[in-house]
Amino acid sequence: DAMVIQNPRYQVTQFGKPVTLSCSQTLNHNVMYWYQQKSSQAPKLLFHYYDKDFNNEADTPDNFQSRRPNTSFCFLDIRSPGLGDAAMYLCATSRVSGAFRNTGELFFGEGSRLTVL
Amino acid sequence: AQSVAQPEDQVNVAEGNPLTVKCTYSVSGNPYLFWYVQYPNRGLQFLLKYITGDNLVKGSYGFEAEFNKSQTSFHLKKPSALVSDSALYFCAVRDGMDSNYQLIWGAGTKLIIKP
Repeated sequence: DAMVIQNPRYQVTQFGKPVTLSCSQTLNHNVMYWYQQKSSQAPKLLFHYYDKDFNNEADTPDNFQSRRPNTSFCFLDIRSPGLGDAAMYLCATSRVSGAFRNTGELFFGEGSRLTVL
Repeated sequence: AQSVAQPEDQVNVAEGNPLTVKCTYSVSGNPYLFWYVQYPNRGLQFLLKYITGDNLVKGSYGFEAEFNKSQTSFHLKKPSALVSDSALYFCAVRDGMDSNYQLIWGAGTKLIIKP
């Protein structure tokens, strides 16, 4: 089945030790998103790629970066994790098309839960 | 500015009873409305959406939602609740006439179904 796969599901790191989370999709969607979710709150958009175009949210810390080497894969890099970065990180995809950039629903992966010691 | 509100942090329902999870929205143009469910330590799953057409939308797991333009609401409903429906529910909206395709998310409502 087509899907969005995130690895690892659980990641434990030490304060300041870089972390990379990965996301792959078989849906051939043109948009990929990274969200941060803390304590059952609403997901907070960090950034997204529209095809190869990177779009950073204004309040996303510089500590967070992303790469999208091809349509199928997207990575979230946290350069120096702090205790406040402990959260669930959700990758999602959607197909955006048309003059008004109409979007269908987002498809989410199962998330990567990051613990910072 | 676009916004969405879920006025209840938590909804408690007895198994077998009907359930409603409320959502109201504000957009300038045409609302595109979505409901998602999240089980513990899982990603969000799409339930249903309203883009245009029939105001009553049917979705996954027996859920439905009614789009009410005059009340700017999109409440999620199910006729008979199951214990397995217990989860976190998110409503989301975007303006279909806006080229900014990002979804605006509600704060979420925790649904607890008691046996």
